[in-house]
Amino acid sequence: DGGITQSPKYLFRKEGQNVTLSCEQNLNHDAMYWYRQDPGQGLRLIYYSQIVNDFQKGDIAEGYSVSREKKESFPLTVTSAQKNPTAFYLCASSPGTRVTDTQYFGPGTRLTVL
Amino acid sequence: GNSVTQMEGPVTLSEEAFLTINCTYTATGYPSLFWYVQYPGEGLQLLLKATKADDKGSNKGFEATYRKETTSFHLEKGSVQVSDSAVYFCALIMDSNYQLIWGAGTKLIIKP
Repeated sequence: DGGITQSPKYLFRKEGQNVTLSCEQNLNHDAMYWYRQDPGQGLRLIYYSQIVNDFQKGDIAEGYSVSREKKESFPLTVTSAQKNPTAFYLCASSPGTRVTDTQYFGPGTRLTVL
Repeated sequence: GNSVTQMEGPVTLSEEAFLTINCTYTATGYPSLFWYVQYPGEGLQLLLKATKADDKGSNKGFEATYRKETTSFHLEKGSVQVSDSAVYFCALIMDSNYQLIWGAGTKLIIKP
């Protein structure tokens, strides 16, 4: 089945550690996105990528890094510089040819910093 | 800047009741508008969308009409079911970039 997978579902990290969240899609979509969801707030865009080897910062990129070496993969690293990393992280993809293209979401990773 | 405002939840209704979830937006220009739904324990999925003024998006008995004059995109359903219990998000996107702007979400609880 085509879709987006994120792993792990739950992740725990000690303060001061970097951690990488996985996102893979087999939809052959060009564009991929990372969002952060906090309770009572809408999603906020961290990074997005429209093509391989290219990505742009969203509203809250500080303390995060990404790479897009392959079309199907868009991993997100939460660095120790991110001051409040405990949140629910959602990855999405879209065909990418038009801004109105539907974004398809993965099941999310819940990160807790201990 | 661009923004989306949704009615606060939770919204609690009985089965077969009429549903309205309000969504208004602020945008410099003419955005495309979306409703996404997040069922318990699942990821977000698109419910419906409208890309220009007066368009009506519809899916699974839900409808929303893009009203430019009131900058609104209210979600409606004539008869809700327990299975509609979820969190509903309104969002917009501008033609100039790929960034979805999201509302805070409205939790809907349907009681049998």
